[in-house]
Amino acid sequence: LAKTTQPISMDSYEGQEVNITCSHNNIATNDYITWYQQFPSQGPRFIIQGYKTKVTNEVASLFIPADRKSSTLSLPRVSLSDTAVYYCLVGDAYGNKLVFGAGTILRVKS
Amino acid sequence: GAGVSQSPRYKVTKRGQDVALRCDPISGHVSLYWYRQALGQGPEFLTYFNYEAQQDKSGLPNDRFSAERPEGSISTLTIQRTEQRDSAMYRCASSLPGQPNEQFFGPGTRLTVL
Repeated sequence: LAKTTQPISMDSYEGQEVNITCSHNNIATNDYITWYQQFPSQGPRFIIQGYKTKVTNEVASLFIPADRKSSTLSLPRVSLSDTAVYYCLVGDAYGNKLVFGAGTILRVKS
Repeated sequence: GAGVSQSPRYKVTKRGQDVALRCDPISGHVSLYWYRQALGQGPEFLTYFNYEAQQDKSGLPNDRFSAERPEGSISTLTIQRTEQRDSAMYRCASSLPGQPNEQFFGPGTRLTVL
C-alpha cells in the first residue's frame, strides 16, 4: 500500500478556500486516491475519491496531476464547521483495508 | 436511512475480563470492517468480512482478539483477557459491494480497561 504524506496541521479563516496536498510518490497503477473527514467524537466520513485529473462533488474538489504522485483536496469557502481532521488514503479499488495516516488537522477561525 | 450502529458506546472493564463489542451495519452493506483508533491517530485496520466470511484478519493484534459475523449482518468483536493497552476507540464500518473505499463508519465504542 502506498504511503502518504500530508501536513500535520493547517489554519484558515472562514470564507477562504483551503487546499490540502498529499504526497504519494509510490502510488501504483491500480490505486485510487480517497479523502476522509473526521470531526471530533465521530467516525471518519468519506469525502471524495479520484483516479486522475479532477473530481468535484458538492463538498470538495480533488486535483490529481498527470504523474499522480500527489493530490490536492480543495475545500471552497470553508466555515467553522469544516474544522476537522482530513485523511488522504491510497489503495486499489478492490482493497478492503483502508490505511489511515495521522491526517491533517484543519482549524478554521472566525 | 439508519447508519452504522455500535453498542455499547462506552465500556469500562477491569483487566482480565472479556468484552464483546457489537456492530450493526447499514442494511444492504455486505462488507463490514473493524478498526481501532487511538487518540490523535487515524483508525487502524483490524479485520473485515464479506457477508459472513472473514476475509482478512491480519490487523488483529493477537489471539485475544476475534470477530464473527455468523449471519452476514451483525458482527461482534471479542477481546478476551483484556489488558490496559487494549483501551481505545473501536470503530466499525460497512460498505456496498464493489465500493470498498467508500466506507460508512459507526460512532464507535470507547473501551477503557482499568
